[in-house]
Amino acid sequence: EVQLVESGGGLVQPGGSLRLSCAASGFTLRGYWMHWVRQAPGKGLLWVSQIHSDGSTTTYADSVKGRFTISRDDAKNMVYLQMNSLRAEDTAVYYCARDFAYSSDVWGQGTLVTVSS
Amino acid sequence: QSALTQPPSASGSPGQSVTISCTGTSSDVGGYNYVSWYQQHPGKAPKLMISEVSKRSSGVPDRFSGSKSGNTASLTVSGLQAEDEADYYCYSYAGSNNWVFGGGTKLTVL
Repeated sequence: EVQLVESGGGLVQPGGSLRLSCAASGFTLRGYWMHWVRQAPGKGLLWVSQIHSDGSTTTYADSVKGRFTISRDDAKNMVYLQMNSLRAEDTAVYYCARDFAYSSDVWGQGTLVTVSS
Repeated sequence: QSALTQPPSASGSPGQSVTISCTGTSSDVGGYNYVSWYQQHPGKAPKLMISEVSKRSSGVPDRFSGSKSGNTASLTVSGLQAEDEADYYCYSYAGSNNWVFGGGTKLTVL
């Protein structure tokens, strides 16, 4: 079964850091662009970041640029999101998603990040 | 990176058709045929329904269809069923390796 499983969420204080992980199974990550998308409680979806299949190109939403870093380890079939200088407004469920023709065809179940003192 | 514009809500009775619009600009919806639509039930991850404006994802009933005219994309759900009640999001490539979602539409089956 093709699957993505996120982990690493939790409660963190404002200004703190967290690293999210996304484990792919049932397919080889190599060759796929990957995305992170978040959803604040009761709110809509927000595209956060993407990484090209070879890791050469990464892009970010303006709201996280300079604070978040996306990376991948194809040998481990993993994608990561390093989140620094976290703010209350970063509180959300974070999903990783596989790119397919500039859409996202496979999604994880999400991991909740709560930024609060 | 402004969000695409969707109506906050839409509704229809079982068996009816409903269309959800998604308005962007020539830099996103109008500039690329890379508009996709997602269905999200409460507490669940989004599910890809339509990619590349009008291509149904595997297993998606043909009651769901997508189209685009200029800067506005649309999702039409025909023959509404109770299980179609969910939030729907449009999503567009916006160039330079950036993407943007719509604000979401809550579809209610009356």
